[in-house]
Amino acid sequence: GQQVMQIPQYQHVQEGEDFTTYCNSSTTLSNIQWYKQRPGGHPVFLIQLVKSGEVKKQKRLTFQFGEAKKNSSLHITATQTTDVGTYFCAGPGGNKLVFGAGTILRVKS
Amino acid sequence: EAEVAQSPRYKITEKSQAVAFWCDPISGHATLYWYRQILGQGPELLVQFQDESVVDDSQLPKDRFSAERLKGVDSTLKIQPAELGDSAMYLCASSSPLLAGVTQYFGPGTRLLVL
Repeated sequence: GQQVMQIPQYQHVQEGEDFTTYCNSSTTLSNIQWYKQRPGGHPVFLIQLVKSGEVKKQKRLTFQFGEAKKNSSLHITATQTTDVGTYFCAGPGGNKLVFGAGTILRVKS
Repeated sequence: EAEVAQSPRYKITEKSQAVAFWCDPISGHATLYWYRQILGQGPELLVQFQDESVVDDSQLPKDRFSAERLKGVDSTLKIQPAELGDSAMYLCASSSPLLAGVTQYFGPGTRLLVL
């Protein structure tokens, strides 16, 4: 079945440094979604990308969808302590969403 | 803002006991999902409902797990008997309409510990 892989598994950055997580799918995706889960919390929807090569920004967060629609990235500029959590990408597989394992972000102040 | 409600938030049980989790989706959301999230992993779909009908339960261990959504609104997930390996976070989510690319709204989850 479809697999969604994320790297890195874990990243610990100094506050103010940039952070990037990458997502790769074993199949071409019609769209990709990103979610954030704070420690002890539940996943919260961030954004959905649909078009090949699409780039969307939310303040310090930049999301990209690859030209082949098989990969995506999330880049955070100048991380803050409020950015801590696990970032998941998810792509449709049949009628359901298939989630990656997530990238855990820790920020040192 | 409307939210998905779940209860209980935490549940500790002994193996071989029965447990049940409840979910109330956002009003008007026809699609309801139950996920299991093991620590350090992404959510894994257990069962998906469209109104009161099961759309996908291919990953639901049917020998011990059951789910229902009798009136197409709230839902219950049951495990009987619970096993040590069932310890995880059980998340409920809802969305509208039935499309794989539609945003899913997650509830706070039920954290289950089986001793």
